Amino acid sequence: GDSVTQMEGPVTLSEEAFLTINCTYTATGYPSLFWYVQYPGEGLQLLLKATKADDKGSNKGFEATYRKETTSFHLEKGSVQVSDSAVYFCALRITDSWGKLQFGAGTQVVVTP
Amino acid sequence: DVKVTQSSRYLVKRTGEKVFLECVQDMDHENMFWYRQDPGLGLRLIYFSYDVKMKEKGDIPEGYSVSREKKERFSLILESASTNQTSMYLCASSFAAGQDFGPGTRLTVT
Repeated sequence: GDSVTQMEGPVTLSEEAFLTINCTYTATGYPSLFWYVQYPGEGLQLLLKATKADDKGSNKGFEATYRKETTSFHLEKGSVQVSDSAVYFCALRITDSWGKLQFGAGTQVVVTP
Repeated sequence: DVKVTQSSRYLVKRTGEKVFLECVQDMDHENMFWYRQDPGLGLRLIYFSYDVKMKEKGDIPEGYSVSREKKERFSLILESASTNQTSMYLCASSFAAGQDFGPGTRLTVT
């Protein structure tokens, strides 16, 4: 079945450092891909998405490119802030499934001043 | 700007109790979902609904049931709560580009 694998956390880095969170997927067909973010004590918020190969999603300084050849959707940010501390989830939308999403396990990011 | 709301942020129940978790969305979405979130496991789908009175099991439906009598409301029911159902429960509704999530209910079963 469809699945998402993302790097384990926690990832700890200093303010203004470069952040990469790896995400790879296995799916039949051509799924849409998403990154969600969960700040402490809150629900998930959509961060960015890409619906087809080579699409780049971007939001709040974060970017991810849909790479069909490597089945990857890595999340990057060039200069993180303390306020980026959160749990990040990679997800894919299962084809023809009423909008069901398959999530990765989540990666906690801790940014220190 | 309220979109998906859940009836409680924190809930403490005793083993064996019947527990109702309520979710309401104001976006007229057809599809709604219940997940549980546990550390290291990500989000796991319990049930989803694609229309009023229509439901489908997700990956971990055992010990849960759902009800959808109105389009905007999707309820998760724990028939007889057990300690292994202590978790964060997240409701979502679906639009073309993804899902909108509620703030979650942290349920503790003692």
